[in-house]
Amino acid sequence: DVQLQESGPGLVKPSQSLSLTCTVTGYSITSDYAWNWIRQFPGNKLEWMAYISYSGNTSYNPSLKSRISITRNTSKNQFFLQLNSVTTEDTATYYCARRRHAMDYWGQGTSVTVSS
Amino acid sequence: DIQMTQSPASLSASVGETVTITCRASGNIHNYLAWYQQKQGKSPQLLVYNAKTLADGVPSRFSGSGSGTQYSLKINSLQPEDFGSYYCQHFWSNSWTFGGGTKLEIK
Repeated sequence: DVQLQESGPGLVKPSQSLSLTCTVTGYSITSDYAWNWIRQFPGNKLEWMAYISYSGNTSYNPSLKSRISITRNTSKNQFFLQLNSVTTEDTATYYCARRRHAMDYWGQGTSVTVSS
Repeated sequence: DIQMTQSPASLSASVGETVTITCRASGNIHNYLAWYQQKQGKSPQLLVYNAKTLADGVPSRFSGSGSGTQYSLKINSLQPEDFGSYYCQHFWSNSWTFGGGTKLEIK
């Protein structure tokens, strides 16, 4: 079965970078589909952030484009999120997800707090 | 960017009732619309994609409809496990925005 698992620090200081890893098991991220980062803010608003396709193409939410990067390590079947210059507004639960027709598999989410 | 306006924001209903949640897009999204259910403390789960196709394992009491800019999720004969939050998401254009969510509560 396909499983996704987020990992990374739960606390990040303002102005620093947030780095998260999504480890995928049960499916190769180079076989097909788009591999996404999505976040959910306190108050429950959901925001799609970025994807990296099975071929390595990337797409970013225009509102984040200047400070976001999505990369991957195909040998470890992982993909990564880096968000630079974070503020308290970036406090959220971060999810990784696979998009086939829509987001059909999600990780359990990891909570990230931006605070000094 | 296309914005998604979801209504109602909250809904109270009883077991056995039928409810409808709607999403209106700010532009034509050509049926590239999905619906998710989220339970408290859990990640969202896919219910419907391409506006009307049920995801694997989703009960037939759920149905999606719509076209152009207007889409709906209908739940027939509400069951206790259906209570939670529901979100739409479009996949047209380059920013796949979500609706604001509908919290479905037990009356």
